[in-house]
Amino acid sequence: QSVLTQPPSVSAAPGQKVTISCSGSSSNIGNNYVSWYQQLPGTAPKLLIYDNNKRPSGIPDRFSGSKSGTSATLGITGLQTGDEADYYCGTWDSSLSAGHVVFGGGTQLTVL
Amino acid sequence: EVQLVESGGGLVQPGRSLRLSCTASGFTFGDDAMNWVRQAPGKGLEWVGFIRSKAYGGTTEYAASVKGRFTISRDDSKSIAYLQMNSLKIEDTAVYYCTGGAEYYFDYWGQGTLVTVSS
Repeated sequence: QSVLTQPPSVSAAPGQKVTISCSGSSSNIGNNYVSWYQQLPGTAPKLLIYDNNKRPSGIPDRFSGSKSGTSATLGITGLQTGDEADYYCGTWDSSLSAGHVVFGGGTQLTVL
Repeated sequence: EVQLVESGGGLVQPGRSLRLSCTASGFTFGDDAMNWVRQAPGKGLEWVGFIRSKAYGGTTEYAASVKGRFTISRDDSKSIAYLQMNSLKIEDTAVYYCTGGAEYYFDYWGQGTLVTVSS
């Protein structure tokens, strides 16, 4: 059971927009920055979004991130078949005596 | 170009030890925190731990599931991070990724190395 809750799967047609939610609590998302990762089949994850809504260089602006309270959202517009992947949210959690990083369980995106 | 290359994975019996290495290039290794993240077969990502840069004390933090058994270290002169894994359990079976960047998000990822704990 992951500390952060994501929907197991989402789907949408090519060219459409999709959002992936990530729900946490005040000890993690509520008081810390959120990052998002894309894992294409058989490859290592890649950073898509950091500090809630910043994109590393080379990440297209079709990908966006937002945060409100104890939830965060990844948005992908202009869906492409190449976007089919697993997506993970992550953040710092300060609920224990020593902080630690937590991830969501992952969301599988299908581009129909 | 940033590169992280993990090595040292393989098949090991429960209770035994294994040391993974992560060789970095293409960025100022000593300035970054280095993390280890693992992924069990067919499962999601699990943070293992990190080591801060020397500028921030070079201290470490670990997930509860590995604390006391795993140790992360770094050799900035060689741009290598290590993950020493002792008292391995079957549930430690996973692909282990080395990552670089901040303490709480991961800019760079290696290709991963598979650790299989089985008798």
